[in-house]
Amino acid sequence: SQKIEQNSEALNIQEGKTATLTCNYTNYSPAYLQWYRQDPGRGPVFLLLIRENEKEKRKERLKVTFDTTLKQSLFHITASQPADSATYLCALGLNQFYFGTGTSLTVIP
Amino acid sequence: EAGVAQSPRYKIIEKRQSVAFWCNPISGHATLYWYQQILGQGPKLLIQFQNNGVVDDSQLPKDRFSAERLKGVDSTLKIQPAKLEDSAVYLCASSLDVRLAGSSTDTQYFGPGTRLTVL
Repeated sequence: SQKIEQNSEALNIQEGKTATLTCNYTNYSPAYLQWYRQDPGRGPVFLLLIRENEKEKRKERLKVTFDTTLKQSLFHITASQPADSATYLCALGLNQFYFGTGTSLTVIP
Repeated sequence: EAGVAQSPRYKIIEKRQSVAFWCNPISGHATLYWYQQILGQGPKLLIQFQNNGVVDDSQLPKDRFSAERLKGVDSTLKIQPAKLEDSAVYLCASSLDVRLAGSSTDTQYFGPGTRLTVL
């Protein structure tokens, strides 16, 4: 079965630094991958989509890379701010959507 | 634009009781999803509708869970009877059309969820 692993522990970083979150998967080759943000008590909010033939995608302070050989996606938040504190989920697009367990990010002022 | 609406927001029931959740997707969205999110885990897809037809229900525990989207708009998810392990947040999401999967417009919009506690 599909296995999706994100940073096993919570990530704490200092404001202004770059946060890097990982998403590793096994067993399948997704056609695309998405990243979502989830705040406590709320549903996930879509951030970025990257397809299997794309190496990198950017949106403002966000950057996503997709390495189909390593079966890994990296999600970067540059110049991080306390407002970026949330749980970040990766989701693989196959015949259906498979979400990872999420990584909790805390940006310390 | 109104988002995805869900009700109730919270529900507490005893095991073996029944419960139903309601979802109203974004207007014009053909695809509707129900997810189960257990504390500390990512959402798990239970069922996916395209208009009023089921696209995927492979992970729906059909002995106790059922869902319908009769007119291709609103949807209800029911659990009967509930078990302790059903305690979770039930999320509804919608997107324009499953046929756009992987395109730049392939975005799922999630509702706030219903937090179910089974005692």
